[in-house]
Amino acid sequence: DAGVTQSPTHLIKTRGQQVTLRCSPKSGHDTVSWYQQALGQGPQFIFQYYEEEERQRGNFPDRFSGHQYPNYSSELNVNALLLGDSALYLCASSPSGGVRQPQHFGDGTRLSIL
Amino acid sequence: AQSVTQLDSHVSVSEGTPVLLRCNYSSSYSPSLFWYVQHPNKGLQLLLKYTSAATLVKGINGFEAEFKKSETSFHLTKPSAHMSDAAEYFCVVSDPSGTYKYIFGTGTRLKVLA
Repeated sequence: DAGVTQSPTHLIKTRGQQVTLRCSPKSGHDTVSWYQQALGQGPQFIFQYYEEEERQRGNFPDRFSGHQYPNYSSELNVNALLLGDSALYLCASSPSGGVRQPQHFGDGTRLSIL
Repeated sequence: AQSVTQLDSHVSVSEGTPVLLRCNYSSSYSPSLFWYVQHPNKGLQLLLKYTSAATLVKGINGFEAEFKKSETSFHLTKPSAHMSDAAEYFCVVSDPSGTYKYIFGTGTRLKVLA
């Protein structure tokens, strides 16, 4: 049983570019959340997707957007990249709309901005 | 608003000695609390969860945590540290106001000395 898978594992971009990160949730999970983890920090909530809609957003600008597909996989898009966007981006999935269920995390995508 | 405070950014123990990682929480609701572990360049693995059942929670790899409402604490313990326990540990509270998004502490880096 595959867990949460994220691609790519590493990515290098330059300022102003755009990036798309991908996530496949654990089998049986329908809710996907995205987190940003800056170096030496705890993860920060970006947004959550359920039933192909964004349910809640954290304190991130509109440059961060996402999508969820009918098969529950998800994408995180970041436009106009800034140096401060360099971080580990974690995808987490959970079942049943996420209500009081532990989230399962992928290994993340390490994004470096030059 | 929900929040967690991890009281130690770094903890060092000798192999075979007890581990104590401290976490205090703030929540307007009956909280769901979790401990996750993150090994270098990896995602987060769930150690244990508290969701209003027994106050003493047993997790994987010999870890356990006790929920103390009067002290608003959820400290993580292990009787005997192993070298493989060296990692970053995160205390997490789940925000029940809608999506149960995770709010992370700043993390505690555990070092195990031979």
